[in-house]
Amino acid sequence: GENVEQHPSTLSVQEGDSAVIKCTYSDSASNYFPWYKQELGKGPQLIIDIRSNVGEKKDQRIAVTLNKTAKHFSLHITETQPEDSAVYFCAATFGRAGSYQLTFGKGTKLSVIP
Amino acid sequence: GAVVSQHPSRVICKSGTSVKIECRSLDFQATTMFWYRQFPKQSLMLMATSNEGSKATYEQGVEKDKFLINHASLTLSTLTVTSAHPEDSSFYICSAIPTGAYNSPLHFGNGTRLTVT
Repeated sequence: GENVEQHPSTLSVQEGDSAVIKCTYSDSASNYFPWYKQELGKGPQLIIDIRSNVGEKKDQRIAVTLNKTAKHFSLHITETQPEDSAVYFCAATFGRAGSYQLTFGKGTKLSVIP
Repeated sequence: GAVVSQHPSRVICKSGTSVKIECRSLDFQATTMFWYRQFPKQSLMLMATSNEGSKATYEQGVEKDKFLINHASLTLSTLTVTSAHPEDSSFYICSAIPTGAYNSPLHFGNGTRLTVT
């Protein structure tokens, strides 16, 4: 089955700096890679996702890059703000809607220091 | 769009009792829903896949008789923790995908914090 490794487990940055979280996956057949943000006591919220047919995707301050050859993908948050503080999970899966199961990384606790 | 509602958000029950958690897709139909469990400071672990009109598929190590799943309609799945014990205390989260929406992201509910005393 799929195995997803996520690093670092904790990350502290100064407000305005960038944050980068990296994940590697084991199953070369995986083709969908979402990132979720989880605030304390809440469920995960999808913040960005990428499919294996693209190498990079950007949405305002958030970007994700994918290297299929190396089987790793990364989340980049620029101009961090205190409200970006949360736990971030990467995930990987193969399949299509209704039939796929996500394998999650262990999470990264991001703290943005004002 | 694609809102998943979970109820209750918090529940405290006594050891030996059963607790039911509801997961609803509010603005879409979901043939398939997923139930996850999350321990403090840990990742999400898939417990089971809930299929409308058929039996749920449980992950290895998850007791199907303890965690009863019913997916009675295209917008509702329920998880019942039977004969709950303190070790069942956890954060339970459901997720759903719109039926037939290929390549649609997975949307999560806000979770249910279960505390068994």
